[in-house]
Amino acid sequence: DGGITQSPKYLFRKEGQNVTLSCEQNLNHDAMYWYRQDPGQGLRLIYYSQIVNDFQKGDIAEGYSVSREKKESFPLTVTSAQKNPTAFYLCASTAPGRANQPQHFGDGTRLSIL
Amino acid sequence: GEDVEQSLFLSVREGDSSVINCTYTDSSSTYLYWYKQEPGAGLQLLTYIFSNMDMKQDQRLTVLLNKKDKHLSLRIADTQTGDSAIYFCAESENYGGSQGNLIFGKGTKLSVKP
Repeated sequence: DGGITQSPKYLFRKEGQNVTLSCEQNLNHDAMYWYRQDPGQGLRLIYYSQIVNDFQKGDIAEGYSVSREKKESFPLTVTSAQKNPTAFYLCASTAPGRANQPQHFGDGTRLSIL
Repeated sequence: GEDVEQSLFLSVREGDSSVINCTYTDSSSTYLYWYKQEPGAGLQLLTYIFSNMDMKQDQRLTVLLNKKDKHLSLRIADTQTGDSAIYFCAESENYGGSQGNLIFGKGTKLSVKP
């Protein structure tokens, strides 16, 4: 079955540590997205990538970094510069070639501070 | 900038109809979406509507769009306990290189009482 896989489901970060969240899709989607979800805040866009080897900052990119070396993969690194990283992180992707296709989501990674 | 507003909570009795409302600001949005999120999970696309439509029906779901008032609603007929979740309204961005990006509301938590 095609879909988006996020791992791990739960992740803990120590003070001063960088952690990387994985997002893999086998839907042949060109565009991929990372969102942060906090209680009562809805989804906020961190980074997005419309095509391999290119990505753009979203609304809350500070303290995060991404790479897009392969079409299938869009990992997100939460750096030590992100002072409040505790949140639920969601990855999404959209179909190629047509504007405004619905975004498909993974099941999320919950990041907590140790 | 664009904004999407939803009420945060809705409580209904099992078997009743639920109506979740949403207002948006970007009159150029081509597509509007409804997503469902169950606890600890990602977002599941429920339905979407093109901006040139007034209504879309899909089994127990009815979407109504009032483009003049920028108002979108989701009606769930014969609401079941399994419908308890957070429902997100989203509109598509339509400028520059951000085509396909979504702006989400903060979500409406639907509680269904037996």
